[in-house]
Amino acid sequence: EVQLVESGGGLVKPGGSLRLSCAASGFTFSSYSMNWVRQAPGKGLEWVSSISSSSSYIYYADSVKGRFTISRDNAKNSLYLQMNSLRAEDTAVYYCARALSGGGWSFDYWGQGTLVTVSS
Amino acid sequence: AIRMTQSPSSFSASTGDRVTITCRASQGISSYLAWYQQKPGKAPKLLIYAASTLQSGVPSRFSGSGSGTDFTLTISCLQSEDFATYYCQQYYSYPPTFGPGTKVDIK
Repeated sequence: EVQLVESGGGLVKPGGSLRLSCAASGFTFSSYSMNWVRQAPGKGLEWVSSISSSSSYIYYADSVKGRFTISRDNAKNSLYLQMNSLRAEDTAVYYCARALSGGGWSFDYWGQGTLVTVSS
Repeated sequence: AIRMTQSPSSFSASTGDRVTITCRASQGISSYLAWYQQKPGKAPKLLIYAASTLQSGVPSRFSGSGSGTDFTLTISCLQSEDFATYYCQQYYSYPPTFGPGTKVDIK
């Protein structure tokens, strides 16, 4: 069974940093591109970042470019999102999502999400 | 970025109804469209990809159609567990973008 479990969310002050993690199991992690998608409270879904299976290709939404860094450790079956210079508008539930095989940036499995709150 | 719109934004329906949700892309996306279902407090669930391909395990009452700029999600016979918010998403080009969602609630 595919499982994605996020952790690392919490309350942080504007300008602060946070590192999210996503532990994957139930599939060959090193064969799949992975993504972060977020959802602000009461709002819709926003793609944040993608990383290819071997970390060769990395993409970011303009809203986080230069502030967030996606990475992965295939030996540990883990995905990460380093978030710096956090703003109030980054407040959201952050989901780790697996890219559909052959499906580009569509997402077939999602974690339960971790809440990031940016507030003073 | 490609802008996705959905209509209606919300509506009420009854169990057993046939419902259709429309999604429109601001430019052609071929068939690079996915549909997701999200229930309150839960992660989104992939229903359909490539505009009309049913994800494994998704009931056959869900179907998708369309190509280019106009797409539809149809639920042939609404069940109680289908009351949720539905999002379309294009993955034709970077950045992938979602529609604003369509909330289906109980009449």
